[in-house]
Amino acid sequence: DAGITQSPRHKVTETGTPVTLRCHQTENHRYMYWYRQDPGHGLRLIHYSYGVKDTDKGEVSDGYSVSRSKTEDFLLTLESATSSQTSVYFCAISGTGDEQFFGPGTRLTVL
Amino acid sequence: AQSVTQPDIHITVSEGASLELRCNYSYGATPYLFWYVQSPGQGLQLLLKYFSGDTLVQGIKGFEAEFKRSQSSFNLRKPSVHWSDAAEYFCAGGQYNFNKFYFGSGTKLNVKP
Repeated sequence: DAGITQSPRHKVTETGTPVTLRCHQTENHRYMYWYRQDPGHGLRLIHYSYGVKDTDKGEVSDGYSVSRSKTEDFLLTLESATSSQTSVYFCAISGTGDEQFFGPGTRLTVL
Repeated sequence: AQSVTQPDIHITVSEGASLELRCNYSYGATPYLFWYVQSPGQGLQLLLKYFSGDTLVQGIKGFEAEFKRSQSSFNLRKPSVHWSDAAEYFCAGGQYNFNKFYFGSGTKLNVKP
């Protein structure tokens, strides 16, 4: 299995609070991705990174920001969490930009 | 717009029966296509992938998929389903160097004893 960890694995927070999710990899892969998974929608790309400090938006990026200061870490921040951001968040990595390997997921509940 | 569609939300098959899960894509050029499986509460595991070449690809756990350009399809098949195959299956597609995957909405497979 690819070395990908996500923290925390579960989080409950209140509307309006900031939240940061962390993805950590030990594969030295160039590409990293954040997805959210909601019933009936499959996985939707939030942001991705193609190198340190190089990031770009996905299809559902509003309300989210990311940062990548080291190859191994990709952070997803919800500046002011809303109930619509209650979801399961998956990080993925790729060495070549095609095949992706997924982390175990973070279940976020915004009350 | 690029997209991947899985027409079937739920499918139920009997153990030992054959399985086919449908996936359609809309891309201008030849896409990269994937099938992933997700067991409850777990992450996604890659079953197989198609980049180019032979249109029939073999994957893990006895699964295979066939790329049909004329039908814009990449259907997943298994000749004999096992109870442990009950899970949710996702088709995904992208184009090389675009770094963006598009996932279908998933098909939940239920296996009857």
